[in-house]
Amino acid sequence: DVKVTQSSRYLVKRTGEKVFLECVQDMDHENMFWYRQDPGLGLRLIYFSYDVKMKEKGDIPEGYSVSREKKERFSLILESASTNQTSMYLCASRTDGDTQYFGPGTRLTVL
Amino acid sequence: GENVEQHPSTLSVQEGDSAVIKCTYSDSASNYFPWYKQELGKRPQLIIDIRSNVGEKKDQRIAVTLNKTAKHFSLHITETQPEDSAVYFCAASYSGGYQKVTFGTGTKLQVIP
Repeated sequence: DVKVTQSSRYLVKRTGEKVFLECVQDMDHENMFWYRQDPGLGLRLIYFSYDVKMKEKGDIPEGYSVSREKKERFSLILESASTNQTSMYLCASRTDGDTQYFGPGTRLTVL
Repeated sequence: GENVEQHPSTLSVQEGDSAVIKCTYSDSASNYFPWYKQELGKRPQLIIDIRSNVGEKKDQRIAVTLNKTAKHFSLHITETQPEDSAVYFCAASYSGGYQKVTFGTGTKLQVIP
């Protein structure tokens, strides 16, 4: 059974803080993704990674960076959090051409 | 890049009726089309998918159809039940090269008992 876990379910941060969101998968998937989910906007891709140390910008990368030092772990970094980054963040992983599995999500509030 | 449009954004049906959600995609290279169901407070989970070499796929009360020429695909739920109430997302992906998946904006389905 595939497991994708995220470091926090709920997170509250202040404007300007550096925020780390971590995602770990246990199925040796090559591809990992970070999305943000906002009402009426669906799932928007922030960044994805197709291999260790490899990353590609998604549709809304501004204000975010990522790190993938190990195959099982993909981190999303908010260098200086802003209130418009308050959202639900979902991590996902998949192997080539196959099902995407999601983590439980992190609801981030930036005050 | 790929663009996926999904309609309707909300859908209310009586229990037992059918529900249909439609999506269109723009990139003719896309060849994998999954559908995800997200219940309130939970993560999206795959309910059915279709690849471009078939036109229809069924799994009990759920079916998906694909029209490659028109670049649209649809989710059909028959004999709806209250537990079908959720947000449904369609997506499109190309299974070669980078594995980017593009999602539609979601359909909130409400099944009225």
